[in-house]
Amino acid sequence: EAGVTQFPSHSVIEKGQTVTLRCDPISGHDNLYWYRRVMGKEIKFLLHFVKESKQDESGMPNNRFLAERTGGTYSTLKVQPAELEDSGVYFCASSQVTSGGTNEQFFGPGTRLTVL
Amino acid sequence: DAKTTQPNSMESNEEEPVHLPCNHSTISGTDYIHWYRQLPSQGPEYVIHGLTSNVNNRMASLAIAEDRKSSTLILHRATLRDAAVYYCILPWMDSSYKLIFGSGTRLLVRP
Repeated sequence: EAGVTQFPSHSVIEKGQTVTLRCDPISGHDNLYWYRRVMGKEIKFLLHFVKESKQDESGMPNNRFLAERTGGTYSTLKVQPAELEDSGVYFCASSQVTSGGTNEQFFGPGTRLTVL
Repeated sequence: DAKTTQPNSMESNEEEPVHLPCNHSTISGTDYIHWYRQLPSQGPEYVIHGLTSNVNNRMASLAIAEDRKSSTLILHRATLRDAAVYYCILPWMDSSYKLIFGSGTRLLVRP
């Protein structure tokens, strides 16, 4: 079974440009999460989808970030315009719908974004 | 903010057991205790979780204190591939079950 995949693995862009990150979750997983680690900091939650609906976007840093999950399958995270402080590693994770706090999240390898 | 505290780093010899501690003194009765690890240049990886009873799986064991204010992840025989940052996490108990990562414990395994 294929795991969570992310594209691209690396992206280098200039300040002010736009970048779109893609995440393909494990087939059948309704939950999809985005996290990121910026330089020297801890991994932080960005947002959570259940199917195509945004369940929790409390971690989105500002309105330069837009996440979508059309059709409840893959998800994209667009940063427009990118700023220097957006540099970091962006992780996607997916999980099945379960009750309680037992759901295991499966993470992708991450996309390393560098904004120059 | 993370609801757990862990030592910044630990060292172990290969083939020896490793006990990674975690304090979660503000844990509530419904909070599950999860452990994830992050190998170099990879995304985090689920290790184990528990609520009240000790748990075992193919990767590790989880020992939970009777008052649930602390827990210990046990790797029975550390290998070089176990060198990673280990995170003890109490998933956010709203509908998202999002993970709040702290700084974790960096485990160094000596050959």
